[in-house]
Amino acid sequence: AQSVTQLDSHVSVSEGTPVLLRCNYSSSYSPSLFWYVQHPNKGLQLLLKYTSAATLVKGINGFEAEFKKSETSFHLTKPSAHMSDAAEYFCVATTGRRALTFGSGTRLQVQP
Amino acid sequence: DAGVIQSPRHEVTEMGQEVTLRCKPISGHDYLFWYRQTMMRGLELLIYFNNNVPIDDSGMPEDRFSAKMPNASFSTLKIQPSEPRDSAVYFCASSSGANVLTFGAGSRLTVL
Repeated sequence: AQSVTQLDSHVSVSEGTPVLLRCNYSSSYSPSLFWYVQHPNKGLQLLLKYTSAATLVKGINGFEAEFKKSETSFHLTKPSAHMSDAAEYFCVATTGRRALTFGSGTRLQVQP
Repeated sequence: DAGVIQSPRHEVTEMGQEVTLRCKPISGHDYLFWYRQTMMRGLELLIYFNNNVPIDDSGMPEDRFSAKMPNASFSTLKIQPSEPRDSAVYFCASSSGANVLTFGAGSRLTVL
């Protein structure tokens, strides 16, 4: 069985400061890992994915995530938050058997 | 490509009425997923298809829910009869191969 834990339900940062959204996973197999973003009243959009290549993955809009097997983590970071980054972010894991597991989501607020 | 297209975007109906949600996946994608999103339960996988064949419908809440995929370019999710607790945003997503899902904008259902 696999599970995904997003450690913070809400994160608030000031514009221009770094963003850290935490995700831990558990899986019996080597997972593929994703981050999706959902803006209000919109569908989910893929930010980035890890599929056992480079452990540091760069995504769209300046986001990146690092896969750390020893810590079973896949935290999402961005050096400098922008107001347009305010959204809900989902960490997702799959073992490639089409059984996607979504985290509960982290709502990011960006203060001016 | 116009992406995954869902209709209607919003539907308000009365308890007991039949609701049909529609989805057009991205051309060439061989997997199609139906998800439901609520504040209480987050994102839930209802059912997914591979090459128009239902693979896993274990997430379908009860017999009132049914989903079909008559061809590669169209799927429906039907609720009959609808109940207030079915109120949610229903997302359709499609993918090909690499587990990366492309989501539609969602159908917001309100059952009064």
